Amino acid sequence: DAGITQSPRHKVTETGTPVTLRCHQTENHRYMYWYRQDPGHGLRLIHYSYGVKDTDKGEVSDGYSVSRSKTEDFLLTLESATSSQTSVYFCAIRTGGGHNEQFFGPGTRLTVL
Amino acid sequence: GENVEQHPSTLSVQEGDSAVIKCTYSDSASNYFPWYKQELGKRPQLIIDIRSNVGEKKDQRIAVTLNKTAKHFSLHITETQPEDSAVYFCAASLNNAGNMLTFGGGTRLMVKP
Repeated sequence: DAGITQSPRHKVTETGTPVTLRCHQTENHRYMYWYRQDPGHGLRLIHYSYGVKDTDKGEVSDGYSVSRSKTEDFLLTLESATSSQTSVYFCAIRTGGGHNEQFFGPGTRLTVL
Repeated sequence: GENVEQHPSTLSVQEGDSAVIKCTYSDSASNYFPWYKQELGKRPQLIIDIRSNVGEKKDQRIAVTLNKTAKHFSLHITETQPEDSAVYFCAASLNNAGNMLTFGGGTRLMVKP
């Protein structure tokens, strides 16, 4: 499982509330990613990080922010959740050493009512 | 940006038959092409990948081929088994700083015993 955990694993929240999802890794990987998965869309990149305090936007970043204050933790925040953000969220890490493989965490199922 | 299309969206085969899933990509600079398998309720798992300096790669019953000129790549599964039933995703990545993956929409493979 590449030492990746996500919390919470399931969350139900209401429209307009803030939500923070956490991704934790134990293997000191530099690159970390947040994806969302929706039926018919595959996985789409939200934000990624290439080091502590270094982040950049992905394909579907509107409505999301991220932070990485420690190598091991990458946080995804929905400042004001909307029903369109109901999805399964996956965190991933990228291995180093010239390899580009990305390995995924177990996912967080978020429902916004 | 990169765009990846994947076909078919569903594929049903008899146990023991072969299955082929095809993907096309738009950016000729993409040079890394992984395939992921996702079982119901689980995380995507990397099953095989290919880089643009090779045309084919095999790992037991699975193989991937790449045609850079035509900008398409395919996953081949031989002697399919019921445990091969899952959703398969292709992806493409540029060898840039982020190595961001762009995913296809997925193929649901059903292997009938």
